[in-house]
Amino acid sequence: GAGVSQTPSNKVTEKGKYVELRCDPISGHTALYWYRQSLGQGPEFLIYFQGTGAADDSGLPNDRFFAVRPEGSVSTLKIQRTERGDSAVYLCASSLIVSAEQFFGPGTRLTVL
Amino acid sequence: RKEVEQDPGPFNVPEGATVAFNCTYSNSASQSFFWYRQDCRKEPKLLMSVYSSGNEDGRFTAQLNRASQYISLLIRDSKLSDSATYLCVVNGARGSQGNLIFGKGTKLSVKP
Repeated sequence: GAGVSQTPSNKVTEKGKYVELRCDPISGHTALYWYRQSLGQGPEFLIYFQGTGAADDSGLPNDRFFAVRPEGSVSTLKIQRTERGDSAVYLCASSLIVSAEQFFGPGTRLTVL
Repeated sequence: RKEVEQDPGPFNVPEGATVAFNCTYSNSASQSFFWYRQDCRKEPKLLMSVYSSGNEDGRFTAQLNRASQYISLLIRDSKLSDSATYLCVVNGARGSQGNLIFGKGTKLSVKP
């Protein structure tokens, strides 16, 4: 079956611009997670959803970052007023339920110039 | 102290060697423990979960010591295809099972 998909695969933007990153989880998975990974580092937790609601958003670095999952399936990570330090690979994962194995998508590589 | 600490390596070993990776974690409330594998410029994939009783999957053996807050991974008879970065992962504090905390990863390079 289809795995987690993320679009776009690459995004180059200018400092100060707004970006949206999309994640399509595995069909039927109720939990969805966002991480970001900088070069040489492990993935860093940002937020996760159970259904439509954000169950834990403690990893969002500041109020420029926001994520939604309005229908409990597709999720969008939104970054306002991007900064060069936001450059990273943004990974999305999903799992059948929260305690189950998380399956990762290929990521979106964001570059802020 | 970082939440999950690993030796970044790289570990350069010949085919057929046995190699061991270690990891320590700081949050004693963590409930779940994993090893993930990540190939260059690819997404992480679950290698195995880690249980207190220890568990084995073919050439891979994982151990957990809750008292010392220490996790290990042993790879026997290394193959060229084992070359990757191995990420030690624990879940967040009780009440946030979905919050996975990753170490920086240990890079393994298996040479012919």
